[in-house]
Amino acid sequence: GAVVSQHPSWVICKSGTSVKIECRSLDFQATTMFWYRQFPKQSLMLMATSNEGSKATYEQGVEKDKFLINHASLTLSTLTVTSAHPEDSSFYICSARDPSGLLFGYTFGSGTRLTVV
Amino acid sequence: AQSVSQHNHHVILSEAASLELGCNYSYGGTVNLFWYVQYPGQHLQLLLKYFSGDPLVKGIKGFEAEFIKSKFSFNLRKPSVQWSDTAEYFCAVNAPLSGGYNKLIFGAGTRLAVHP
Repeated sequence: GAVVSQHPSWVICKSGTSVKIECRSLDFQATTMFWYRQFPKQSLMLMATSNEGSKATYEQGVEKDKFLINHASLTLSTLTVTSAHPEDSSFYICSARDPSGLLFGYTFGSGTRLTVV
Repeated sequence: AQSVSQHNHHVILSEAASLELGCNYSYGGTVNLFWYVQYPGQHLQLLLKYFSGDPLVKGIKGFEAEFIKSKFSFNLRKPSVQWSDTAEYFCAVNAPLSGGYNKLIFGAGTRLAVHP
């Protein structure tokens, strides 16, 4: 089946620094990827939709200048948390649709736990 | 705006008990419906999905769900749960939106604990 690889699995950074998270579709091409944020014991909240070759589409309330998304190829989307602060600490998950849009639905990465100290 | 409502936030069952988790959505058009499971420390996995056809959908690990269009519901069921079913369950809806792309909207999740 479709596999999405997310890296790193966890990262600790100092307040004010930037962190980049990668999301790769391993055995299929993904023109669209999705970035979610999950707070402890809460559901996944969609942050933005990453479109290959064009600008990402952000959900209401998500700062596009703080959460930079780049989808430069059909297999890679990156999320950069700029000038991170402790309130950005969360679990970030990426997702991609399978090529047909029908067979597997959506495939999720294993997530990245970000801790800002 | 589209939304997904899961009524049970926490469910505690004994092994062999039957399970039903409620899921309702708000969207008047054609939808695709999903149930995902997240085991402790692991990523989301697809349990089952409904796109069209038979409204009773069978998934992995003995789970099934029934799409009732008139009730905007997609409840998850399992006749006899096991301790290994302890996890968090998310209902999700995918609806076509303007701009030509779809997105998944998740419910708040239901945390299931099964006692041996």
